[in-house]
Amino acid sequence: TQLLEQSPQFLSIQEGENLTVYCNSSSVFSSLQWYRQEPGEGPVLLVTVVTGGEVKKLKRLTFQFGDARKDSSLHITAAQPGDTGLYLCAGVTTSGTYKYIFGTGTRLKVLA
Amino acid sequence: NAGVTQTPKFRVLKTGQSMTLLCAQDMNHEYMYWYRQDPGMGLRLIHYSVGEGTTAKGEVPDGYNVSRLKKQNFLLGLESAAPSQTSVYFCASSPRGRGNGQPQHFGDGTRLSIL
Repeated sequence: TQLLEQSPQFLSIQEGENLTVYCNSSSVFSSLQWYRQEPGEGPVLLVTVVTGGEVKKLKRLTFQFGDARKDSSLHITAAQPGDTGLYLCAGVTTSGTYKYIFGTGTRLKVLA
Repeated sequence: NAGVTQTPKFRVLKTGQSMTLLCAQDMNHEYMYWYRQDPGMGLRLIHYSVGEGTTAKGEVPDGYNVSRLKKQNFLLGLESAAPSQTSVYFCASSPRGRGNGQPQHFGDGTRLSIL
């Protein structure tokens, strides 16, 4: 069974602080996605990383795919209250069965 | 743009009752998925479909059945509801594509309580 562990599980920080969320697995994925979910809504895709070592930036968010394509990180610079939400990573399996394995989630709260 | 629509949004059932959750997408996507979301466990795949008339089991399929008679619809059925099936259920769809990971588009969920 492929598992994706996210850490930390919960994070409460002050506005302006930086943070990093980690997504780790012992399995190799063909690509990895990050989603953000607001209360009462479904997850919304933020980014997809495909190549080992790839780094993508989305404004203040920086995403990195591990060299071995087993792990990923999300770094937020100068967090704002609007960043509050549940962050989920999802690994796309290489078995060709079109399945997405979701991580356990990181619940972020940014205080003004 | 409707995207992915789930009905109903809320439902309370008694143990042993049956019900069907409906998912409809208007993006002509090939792939559709049903997940359940429980606290601290992220999203777990129940069943999925790679095309009209085809379905496959995911990570936690027991107690659920699905059907995809039309490309735009994916139904999730609970034949005999159990309290362990209390959860938030999400439907998602994605276009055809392999390897690079197509984006999944999610509905807003169905909150289901089994008493």
